[in-house]
Amino acid sequence: SQTIHQWPATLVQPVGSPLSLECTVEGTSNPNLYWYRQAAGRGLQLLFYSVGIGQISSEVPQNLSASRPQDRQFILSSKKLLLSDSGFYLCAWSVGWSPNTEAFFGQGTRLTVV
Amino acid sequence: AQRVTQPEKLLSVFKGAPVELKCNYSYSGSPELFWYVQYSRQRLQLLLRHISRESIKGFTADLNKGETSFHLKKPFAQEEDSAMYYCALRVQTTDSWGKLQFGAGTQVVVTP
Repeated sequence: SQTIHQWPATLVQPVGSPLSLECTVEGTSNPNLYWYRQAAGRGLQLLFYSVGIGQISSEVPQNLSASRPQDRQFILSSKKLLLSDSGFYLCAWSVGWSPNTEAFFGQGTRLTVV
Repeated sequence: AQRVTQPEKLLSVFKGAPVELKCNYSYSGSPELFWYVQYSRQRLQLLLRHISRESIKGFTADLNKGETSFHLKKPFAQEEDSAMYYCALRVQTTDSWGKLQFGAGTQVVVTP
């Protein structure tokens, strides 16, 4: 069966420090991968999505970047964190896309920038 | 531009009472809509999709293209329905792949 792993679960980082959040999917090939941010009072915002290795689409201009070095690995990074980067980050995957396609989410990472 | 609007941030209902979560969308293409739910300390997960016209855990949602709505309803709320609910719209992208756009979410609290 397919599973998605996301780590770390919680992270406290000082302003200006780098960031690396990792997400891996098991049990499927060539998944579509997503990074979402769940900011307080603002719901889920799509940050990046990827349809294949090295293919990254950015949804909003920001202080973050994403990379997909392997088929089932998706990394969210920042060179210098801002206070506004605090939030709950969710990785998700799906296979193909049709009206019946379901997206599967990781447990999330709670990032607090201090 | 496409948009999903959930006007209620918080919905508090009594057990056994009906509950309706509103969702309106704005999209020029053919809409594909979903409801996702996040129970306390659990992952965000799919609740139902409009294409299936299904009832899950007593919830139903009807796509109304005229009103551009996809409201989620349940006739008798249960305490275990307390959760965060997100309405989502699949938006077609130039690579025909599509992406999910979510509303801001509605927190449902069912009190005994």
